[in-house]
Amino acid sequence: DSGVTQTPKHLITATGQRVTLRCSPRSGDLSVYWYQQSLDQGLQFLIQYYNGEERAKGNILERFSAQQFPDLHSELNLSSLELGDSALYFCASSAGTGGQTQYFGPGTRLLVL
Amino acid sequence: AQTVTQSQPEMSVQEAETVTLSCTYDTSESDYYLFWYKQPPSRQMILVIRQEAYKQQNATENRFSVNFQKAAKSFSLKISDSQLGDAAMYFCAYRTAETQGGSEKLVFGKGTKLTVNP
Repeated sequence: DSGVTQTPKHLITATGQRVTLRCSPRSGDLSVYWYQQSLDQGLQFLIQYYNGEERAKGNILERFSAQQFPDLHSELNLSSLELGDSALYFCASSAGTGGQTQYFGPGTRLLVL
Repeated sequence: AQTVTQSQPEMSVQEAETVTLSCTYDTSESDYYLFWYKQPPSRQMILVIRQEAYKQQNATENRFSVNFQKAAKSFSLKISDSQLGDAAMYFCAYRTAETQGGSEKLVFGKGTKLTVNP
């Protein structure tokens, strides 16, 4: 158990819908990262937050957005869902910036039908 | 941009034997971190081992060790005394050490699927 929690574990929804994925980092960790794992794209970085502020963006679609709240939990919002958005979405956390190891949550498996 | 290449999509090993998984990376940076993560069928991403580029000594964690060749940009993982529970996808990952305004994302390879035969 990494100490990072993600809910829900599984999500099935239809095209065009909007979903929210939630992540709670390890106690004391200030940085949260979101990654997408799909069969064709592999593991890809989406976005990073540090202590409530966006720090870096990766290959995140405009239909996707995220935020980190004062209690440091984070949410990833996916809207206007398409079949291709079906993937495993991971949240990871680290203590801060500068070399700390990222610990991953169990992931949310999203299936868009 | 940094890239990570794992040239072995699949590997197999007999229980109790040793196996080495390959990883190469491309970067122009001199300071960075390298990781091996394991993803068993549960799909959880589990850290196996970490290496700082400035350290010449190869990292070791119990039965897991790395062969870090900085000049060759190579970072292989050796698993000794393989166990059935080692069966998983193994991902090599790179992370910059630069923290000023840059992304601290992990860049992953495509993974190597390791099968352990009893």
